[in-house]
Amino acid sequence: QKEVEQDPGPLSVPEGAIVSLNCTYSNSAFQYFMWYRQYSRKGPELLMYTYSSGNKEDGRFTAQVDKSSKYISLFIRDSQPSDSATYLCAMKMTSYDKVIFGPGTSLSVIP
Amino acid sequence: ETGVTQSPTHLIKTRGQQVTLRCSSQSGHNTVSWYQQALGQGPQFIFQYYREEENGRGNFPPRFSGLQFPNYSSELNVNALELDDSALYLCASSLASPGTEAFFGQGTRLTVV
Repeated sequence: QKEVEQDPGPLSVPEGAIVSLNCTYSNSAFQYFMWYRQYSRKGPELLMYTYSSGNKEDGRFTAQVDKSSKYISLFIRDSQPSDSATYLCAMKMTSYDKVIFGPGTSLSVIP
Repeated sequence: ETGVTQSPTHLIKTRGQQVTLRCSSQSGHNTVSWYQQALGQGPQFIFQYYREEENGRGNFPPRFSGLQFPNYSSELNVNALELDDSALYLCASSLASPGTEAFFGQGTRLTVV
């Protein structure tokens, strides 16, 4: 079993749809959870950063962490064609630790 | 714009050769990490440097080595290149401080032929 697993995708949705991206993980020691967006031929861009369980909202993006289920989600409301990218979940045990990434989910938002 | 710059952006090398990739970290960031991202996969941690000392390493052989300089720039060196080393190499800089997170450069695309 991989340390971090992610919905494989690819995912294709119409513009304006609500998108749900999900990851599961096996290491209960993870405490910091991130979502990165990566456009083709670019480096990952940090979208959301949360510590421990709970929800965090930033504009159209909401991140949820359920540590009891070892499950994290990213919701995108009113999706736009510019949201088309690969989304990477990532996590680490301590603030100073290496980041473990999921394999990524490719999202296409169709106008 | 993350303030993290990598060079070169693309590189083609022959199997068995050596390569050096460079990263200029965001100003004031004292931690730099390097990742390898194969096509269609998430980034894999290679190693991390904090104040010029390696302080964490992933599952990569010793032919992957690095340096961090006092001006927070860094290098990734790979010896005896193999075809499987073909990937996007990413560096990420951060402050070693709780609540802060890493910012990635645009990566160097290495092709080994």
